[in-house]
Amino acid sequence: AQTVTQSQPEMSVQEAETVTLSCTYDTSESDYYLFWYKQPPSRQMILVIRQEAYKQQNATENRFSVNFQKAAKSFSLKISDSQLGDAAMYFCAYIRGSNFGNEKLTFGTGTRLTIIP
Amino acid sequence: DGGITQSPKYLFRKEGQNVTLSCEQNLNHDAMYWYRQDPGQGLRLIYYSQIVNDFQKGDIAEGYSVSREKKESFPLTVTSAQKNPTAFYLCASSLGRYQPQHFGDGTRLSIL
Repeated sequence: AQTVTQSQPEMSVQEAETVTLSCTYDTSESDYYLFWYKQPPSRQMILVIRQEAYKQQNATENRFSVNFQKAAKSFSLKISDSQLGDAAMYFCAYIRGSNFGNEKLTFGTGTRLTIIP
Repeated sequence: DGGITQSPKYLFRKEGQNVTLSCEQNLNHDAMYWYRQDPGQGLRLIYYSQIVNDFQKGDIAEGYSVSREKKESFPLTVTSAQKNPTAFYLCASSLGRYQPQHFGDGTRLSIL
């Protein structure tokens, strides 16, 4: 079974600084997709970034970027120029890309990010 | 604006009672999902549906039931067989299996 591990339950960063959240996953598949979701205090889940495993280039979305290391099965999220609105729980998620029809998204346990003014 | 609407925002269940959580989307998405979130934990999949009139069990389906009679709607019933239903429930939808999931605002269910 696929598992997603987020080893940092909590992180904090000074406003305007850069922080990296780590995520590792366990899979024997070569085709899969990875996501980072953000859950602010409002509890709504918001997509931050998506990475296809077949793409070597790391995904980037404004101040958010990933470091995707396929061989190491690592998918870390870097937030640059941290802002107060970035404070949230961040979840890493994995789904395998096959045609069996029963694929489902597997989430990590989350990292709570605090922004220090 | 397109989106996912979950109702009610808060729900209370009495012992032995079934309750139904509503999830409606106007994004024209084929796939819909129900997740449960407990404090300090990630999301766990209860049920999902990739097409109308078809759905599959997720990791923690026991004590729950769903229906998918319309593309826009995917209600979740928490039955009396679910002995520990207190949690935050999130509904999501996506264009397909590998597309990003869009989430509703959630329903918090508590036991009276």
